[in-house]
Amino acid sequence: GENVEQHPSTLSVQEGDSAVIKCTYSDSASNYFPWYKQELGKRPQLIIDIRSNVGEKKDQRIAVTLNKTAKHFSLHITETQPEDSAVYFCAASKGSASKIIFGSGTRLSIRP
Amino acid sequence: NAGVTQTPKFQVLKTGQSMTLQCAQDMNHNSMYWYRQDPGMGLRLIYYSASEGTTDKGEVPNGYNVSRLNKREFSLRLESAAPSQTSVYFCARIFQPQHFGDGTRLSIL
Repeated sequence: GENVEQHPSTLSVQEGDSAVIKCTYSDSASNYFPWYKQELGKRPQLIIDIRSNVGEKKDQRIAVTLNKTAKHFSLHITETQPEDSAVYFCAASKGSASKIIFGSGTRLSIRP
Repeated sequence: NAGVTQTPKFQVLKTGQSMTLQCAQDMNHNSMYWYRQDPGMGLRLIYYSASEGTTDKGEVPNGYNVSRLNKREFSLRLESAAPSQTSVYFCARIFQPQHFGDGTRLSIL
């Protein structure tokens, strides 16, 4: 079955710098890759997603890149702000009728 | 717009007791999911349902059962609760529009 690995488990960056979180997946048939942000004590919330027919997607300060050949995808946050501090999860799926497997999460801390 | 509503929000059980966690979505989307999240950990898939009347096992299905009687409701049942099932349980509709419920914080003594 699908396995998703996420690195690093913790990440600390200076405010204003960029943060990059990387994930790899095992099932080459996976075609949907969402990223979630979870603040302490709250539910995960979708921040960006990408499908396998696209190599990159941007939404303001957030971007996701996908390398299907290498089976990895990354989240890029530019100009980090204190409110970016949270746990981020990647996930992979073969579509809406399939299971969705999450990575183990990255705790991002933004230093003032 | 609640999206996905879970009940109860908190529950304490004794070992061996049973209970059902309820989940309802405000749309008729086919796919729904149940996850558990242990403290400081990631989200592990328990069961999912691709459509009304169908369910499939996820990564950690042992000790749980689910029921999808209609498109809006997807319930999770613990038949004989164990301390290892202490966790936060999230019900989710992952595909557009995506929405996680607020979670059920379950403690088993």
